[in-house]
Amino acid sequence: QVQLVQSGAEVKKLGASVRISCKASGYNFPYYYINWVRQAPGQGLEWLGEITPTTGATTYAQKFRGRITVITDTSTSTVYMHLTNVTSEDTAIYYCSRGGDFDFWGQGTLVTVSP
Amino acid sequence: SYVLTQPPSVSLAPGETARLTCGGNNIGNKGVHWFQQRPGQAPVLVFSSDTDRPSRIPERVSGSTSGNTATLIISRVEAGDEADYYCQVWDSTSDQRVFGGGTKLTVL
Repeated sequence: QVQLVQSGAEVKKLGASVRISCKASGYNFPYYYINWVRQAPGQGLEWLGEITPTTGATTYAQKFRGRITVITDTSTSTVYMHLTNVTSEDTAIYYCSRGGDFDFWGQGTLVTVSP
Repeated sequence: SYVLTQPPSVSLAPGETARLTCGGNNIGNKGVHWFQQRPGQAPVLVFSSDTDRPSRIPERVSGSTSGNTATLIISRVEAGDEADYYCQVWDSTSDQRVFGGGTKLTVL
């Protein structure tokens, strides 16, 4: 069965960087985009960006360009999302999700940014 | 940037039909995806205008898109349908994926 398993919760200081992983299994990994989506406390869903595993090509939401990097390790079917210079507004649950349909989602990773 | 507009909340009695709307410029020309999110859980795809309903989603769930409005239809709502519902599209002009603000469905 398709599974996306994310890394554990993170607590970061203002200005630090955070890296979250998303390990895929149960399907042909290179054939589907992986998206990153976040949800701040009590708020809606916000798309951060995506990667095409076969080529490594990325598209990022305009709001995060310059701060976000998404890479893939096809040997382990894992996608990494790296966000730099975090602020309190980056406190959120971060999800990875498969494909243009977002048909499967990871369990979410809570990132807390503290002063 | 492309904007999707959803009503913040909809309330219905059990057995009624929920019609959750998502407004966007010429959304009828786009692929629209709908997600259900229960408290404390990850979102779940419940309908896609490209691929219809995932097999694990009941037949009571359907969708339609026309002009500037997409609609998720849930027939015979029940307590288990209480959740937040989000629409999403890909805007080809900006090459950005966009979510609506979400609608909280309450079953009275």
